[in-house]
Amino acid sequence: EIVMTQSPATLSVSPGETATLSCRASQSVSSNLAWFQQKPGQAPRLLIYGASTRATGIPARFSCSGSGTEFTLTISSLQAEDFAVYFCQEFNNWPRGLTFGPGTKVDFK
Amino acid sequence: QVQLVQSGSELKKPGASVKVSCKASGYSFSNFAMNWVRQAPGRGLEWLGWINTNTGDPTYAQGFTGRFLFSLDTSVSTTYLQISSLKTEDTAVYYCARVGPTIAPDYWGQGTLVTVSS
Repeated sequence: EIVMTQSPATLSVSPGETATLSCRASQSVSSNLAWFQQKPGQAPRLLIYGASTRATGIPARFSCSGSGTEFTLTISSLQAEDFAVYFCQEFNNWPRGLTFGPGTKVDFK
Repeated sequence: QVQLVQSGSELKKPGASVKVSCKASGYSFSNFAMNWVRQAPGRGLEWLGWINTNTGDPTYAQGFTGRFLFSLDTSVSTTYLQISSLKTEDTAVYYCARVGPTIAPDYWGQGTLVTVSS
C-alpha cells in the first residue's frame, strides 16, 4: 500500500506571496499524481493531473513539478480565493486503488 | 455541463442502513466510472472504491468490504452507495467523483452528510 505524506500541515502565507507545498509517496508513483483544492463546505476541485498538467480553468499561477516520490505544488502570487486545503492523490495502482495525502492548509499569515 | 447531484443529508442510528445516490448528467454515463470518497468531520479524504458504470462491477478499498455496497441504475444515470450496520465512526460527508479520462477524479458531487448517532 502506498502512503502519501504532505508538508507542512499548515502554511501561513500573505496575499501576493508564493506558497510551496510538498507531497511525498512511500514508493514511486511515476507521474500518476493529482492535486485538489478544497474550501470549507465545498467538494474538492481537481487542480493538477499527471503530476504537472493543469485541469480546465485552473489559472497559470498553479504549477506542479516532480515525479517518482517527490512532488511540489507552487502557488505564485497568492490570491484571496487560494486560501484552502490542498490534497495530493496518487493513482499509480489504478484500478486496484488510489490514495490521498492528509492535506496542507494554506491560511492567512 | 457535467453535473453530479447527490441525495440529501441523513441522520441514522447505529446499526441502521443508509443509501446515498449520485445522479450524473451532461455526459455519457456509462463511459466514465465513478469513485466514492468520504471525509469525516475535520479530517482528510478517504477513498472507498469505485464502480464500473459500464459493467456494474465494483472495486472496494481495503477496509470497505462487507458493509459497503456500490450499485447503479443506468436508466437514470445514477450510482448508489449503501452502508449497512452503521457505526458512529461512519459519520462523514460522502462524495461521488467521476473517474476522469486521465483517471484523476475530475468532477465531484456536492457531498452527502451521513450522521450516525444514537
